[in-house]
This record gives sequence, structure tokens and C-alpha cells, in this order.
Amino acid sequence: DTEVTQTPKHLVMGMTNKKSLKCEQHMGHRAMYWYKQKAKKPPELMFVYSYEKLSINESVPSRFSPECPNSSLLNLHLHALQPEDSALYLCASSQDTGNRDLQETQYFGPGTRLLVL
Amino acid sequence: GQNIDQPTEMTATEGAIVQINCTYQTSGFNGLFWYQQHAGEAPTFLSYNVLDGLEEKGRFSSFLSRSKGYSYLLLKELQMKDSASYLCAVSLPSLLYNQGGKLIFGQGTELSVKP
Repeated sequence: DTEVTQTPKHLVMGMTNKKSLKCEQHMGHRAMYWYKQKAKKPPELMFVYSYEKLSINESVPSRFSPECPNSSLLNLHLHALQPEDSALYLCASSQDTGNRDLQETQYFGPGTRLLVL
Repeated sequence: GQNIDQPTEMTATEGAIVQINCTYQTSGFNGLFWYQQHAGEAPTFLSYNVLDGLEEKGRFSSFLSRSKGYSYLLLKELQMKDSASYLCAVSLPSLLYNQGGKLIFGQGTELSVKP
């Protein structure tokens, strides 16, 4: 089973709203990722959690706030977003054995399509 | 900086063979992935190369030459359902243990398969 689930599938929010995106995996993976993807562009890495600790933040604005409550769950809290933040937000996970010389495949969820008005 | 190049668009005929090239210049290299992404869907893993040579998986094969910074994805016996975007992604080495993996994606190649 290589399934990563994300909710909601679609989200429309105003610039003053607060919302959260959720991601879940039950593959026992210990690394989880948030990516942002604009139309006809590749995914761009936002955050990486490894063993429930934030390990990479790609200089993402503070209006995006990630949270990893446990090894299976990853949230992305959204507050005071801008229209240019409208995009497909993808979650991914990988095994992360802790061996930095061993590359592990990242498996992606279906994404949340976000529209900021 | 990181640079990954692949053609923007390609067109091929059902039943034919198509080769999608990818060249890269990155600050490090820990392997190269190919993903397929249908419009509005998540990227799905196709193949991974870390050593030079050809990896074959059914109708899909991927080749890597680390000295040339070059990879290609070969799709045989094309089907209409193969119409999708194909993403080349280079994995960068982790600076620390337990840091997860860092993928840098190319812009993607939009493949159209015609009858």
C-alpha cells in the first residue's frame, strides 16, 4: 500500500480566513513533505518533517504553518493568504531510514486544490 | 544553483516509442527519479536511477549517465493513457541524518499520445 491521503480535495478561502490542510499515511514512513504546485509548473518543496521534527523550511512565508502531530499525520495551517497562494498543495512521504546515502522514493497524495479569493 | 532541463512538450503516436530526455546540473546528486503526472492528479513514481545504466520496468525504461548529467525515460508501445506530464527529479544528498530527502524537479514534459 503506497497511499497518501489528503483532505480536503478542494478549498476556497478568503484572505482573512484560517483553514488547515490535512495529510495522512499509514505506510510507517518517517519523513513527510509539503509541496506547492502552480499550473504547468513542477512541484516546489515547502517543508520537510523527519521523525516528527521540522528538518527543512524552504523560506516559506509565515502565513503557512506546518504541524506534525504524529508520525502518520501532517497538517498545513493557512492564515491571511494571498491570491497568488492559489495552487495545488501536495503532501508526500518517504521511509527515511536515517541513512543519508540511501535515497528513498517519495509517494505523493492527490493534493488539495486551493483557491484564495 | 540547480538546473534541470527537459523538453516542454512532445507528441507521439499510439503504439510507438518515445524518449524523454533530462539533463541536470546540481550541487549534489543522490539519484534521479521519474514521475508521471496526469492533469489534476498527484505525481506517481515511475523509476529511480542512482548508478549508470538502464533500468527496465515493463513498458518503461530509464537510463542514467552521471558523467554526462543525463537521463532519459523511454516509453514503449504507447497508449492513449500515457498522455501526461513526465517529471524528472534529482535527489540532493541530505546534509544531516534523519532529514528526509530533497527533490529538485525539472519543468516537466507534456506528452500527447495521438491515435
